[in-house]
Amino acid sequence: TQTVSQSDAHVTVFEGDSVELRCNYSYGGSIYLSWYIQHHGHGLQFLLKYYSGNPVVQGVNGFEAEFSKSDSSFHLRKASVHWSDSAVYFCAVRANSAGNKLTFGIGTRVLVRP
Amino acid sequence: EAAVTQSPRSKVAVTGGKVTLSCHQTNNHDYMYWYRQDTGHGLRLIHYSYVADSTEKGDIPDGYKASRPSQENFSLILELASLSQTAVYFCASSDRQGANTLYFGAGTRLSVL
Repeated sequence: TQTVSQSDAHVTVFEGDSVELRCNYSYGGSIYLSWYIQHHGHGLQFLLKYYSGNPVVQGVNGFEAEFSKSDSSFHLRKASVHWSDSAVYFCAVRANSAGNKLTFGIGTRVLVRP
Repeated sequence: EAAVTQSPRSKVAVTGGKVTLSCHQTNNHDYMYWYRQDTGHGLRLIHYSYVADSTEKGDIPDGYKASRPSQENFSLILELASLSQTAVYFCASSDRQGANTLYFGAGTRLSVL
């Protein structure tokens, strides 16, 4: 069974701070990793994805994520957050060995204070 | 110009009643999905479909039926709504199996009383 773990349920930062949201997964084989953002009252929106190549991938609005096979991780980062980055962030994993279904983590709620 | 539209946006239902949640997409995507979102559980897949007139079970299909009458439309049906089905439901679409990029609707907040 593939699992996705987001260890931080809530993160609070100040505007201009950097932020890192952690995502760890557990299973093997070929995997596809992605991050989604959900603003309050809205559906999820795709941020970025990784399958192969450069382990650091760039997304929209200054977000980037880094894949680490040794750590089984795909952490999301932003160097300088804006108040509009307040949202819930979901890590998602898809494995060929798990029927190609997308499995989501429970999400990390980020609050950006002015 | 929302590409995935869900209706209603919110609904209150009585226990034992029938509930139908509707989803319409203009992405021309073959794949459509229904997820439910609960606090502490993230999103869980209920049903999905890759072609009209066919649906597949997801990870938590019990108590739900799905219908895909056309490429654009995908419904989720609760024949006998229960308190445990109170949640936010999201519809999504993608262009192919295994696509990482899903396009989500705004969600339907369902309260079963």
